[in-house]
Amino acid sequence: GAGVSQTPSNKVTEKGKYVELRCDPISGHTALYWYRQSLGQGPEFLIYFQGTGAADDSGLPNDRFFAVRPEGSVSTLKIQRTERGDSAVYLCASSTGTSAEQYFGPGTRLTVT
Amino acid sequence: AQSVTQLDSQVPVFEEAPVELRCNYSSSVSVYLFWYVQYPNQGLQLLLKYLSGSTLVKGINGFEAEFNKSQTSFHLRKPSVHISDTAEYFCAVGNQGAQKLVFGQGTRLTINP
Repeated sequence: GAGVSQTPSNKVTEKGKYVELRCDPISGHTALYWYRQSLGQGPEFLIYFQGTGAADDSGLPNDRFFAVRPEGSVSTLKIQRTERGDSAVYLCASSTGTSAEQYFGPGTRLTVT
Repeated sequence: AQSVTQLDSQVPVFEEAPVELRCNYSSSVSVYLFWYVQYPNQGLQLLLKYLSGSTLVKGINGFEAEFNKSQTSFHLRKPSVHISDTAEYFCAVGNQGAQKLVFGQGTRLTINP
């Protein structure tokens, strides 16, 4: 079956602009996660959804970052007033909600100029 | 809080030689442990996982890892590496409840002919 998909694969934006990154999880997976991977680092947790609600958003760095999952499937990560330090690969993962195993998408590479 | 330390940032080995990538974790609760591989310009792929039971876990591509609770370690091993194993390897810890993963910084495995 289809894996986790993320769009766009690459996004270049200017400092101060607003961006949206989309994640389409594996069909039937109730849990969805966003991570951020900076160059040369491991992925860092941002937010976790169980169904439509954010069960843990402790990793969001500040209030410029926001994520939604209105119908319990597709999720959008929104970044306002982007800064150069936001440049990274944003990874999405999904799981069944009862399994600890997370399946990752290919990521969106965000570059803020 | 949980944390993961990958003791080697880079590991160069010759083709067909054995390799061990080291991972230590800290956690105050029972853990799940994972190794993910990231090939150049690709997403994260699960190599193997420890959830419970036998402490020796076998994964894909001939890799295995051993969970050592007393030493809080989960080292990854392969008896004979191939050029195609060149990649970044990440150790991660999670806990019961299908929640966020905490990743190490990664180990870059380079295979020399």
